[in-house]
Amino acid sequence: DQQVKQNSPSLSVQEGRISILNCDYTNSMFDYFLWYKKYPAEGPTFLISISSIKDKNEDGRFTVFLNKSAKHLSLHIVPSQPGDSAVYFCAASARGSSNTGKLIFGQGTTLQVKP
Amino acid sequence: ETGVTQSPTHLIKTRGQQVTLRCSSQSGHNTVSWYQQALGQGPQFIFQYYREEENGRGNFPPRFSGLQFPNYSSELNVNALELDDSALYLCASSLPGAERETQYFGPGTRLLVL
Repeated sequence: DQQVKQNSPSLSVQEGRISILNCDYTNSMFDYFLWYKKYPAEGPTFLISISSIKDKNEDGRFTVFLNKSAKHLSLHIVPSQPGDSAVYFCAASARGSSNTGKLIFGQGTTLQVKP
Repeated sequence: ETGVTQSPTHLIKTRGQQVTLRCSSQSGHNTVSWYQQALGQGPQFIFQYYREEENGRGNFPPRFSGLQFPNYSSELNVNALELDDSALYLCASSLPGAERETQYFGPGTRLLVL
């Protein structure tokens, strides 16, 4: 079962516009969410995170929104730049000894920002 | 500050062989997690090591095993390799602390099993 889903395999936006990447989850025990960016031949790079006690976290051009009732989170990138072109992964974790260290990832969304 | 490093970068093995992948954690990080990323998928959690002990395990068979050393570096061992083990293997380090730990990833080792 896919507990974290990124339903859009790809997204294309124009430079300077907003990019919105979406992520849905099914496990109500998830209480910490992260976004990672991955370039080819590199490991995932941490971008931003949010705890379930918040509904928004902002870091420069990146903002993550969490809607717990809908079990949905989104990453907004404003303004988008060509260097943002990469695969973006949403990940989630839950507290508890059986979940120690375990990040559950979505399948990823490939973002292309056109100049 | 040194980031997470992994070796080797690429590896080709044949079915039935054994493989050892290595990871050095980011400076100051005492926890290492291993993930398998198949083509077109997100990373899947294999296990985590903290203070040289396995501290959590995902849905992987026992032929996937690991070690953590006193300097916090780690190894992933896979025995009796199968074709489906072909994937990118990622190591991530973290420092358990305040709110929640964030995992920082290395570049990965790409394993091809023929």
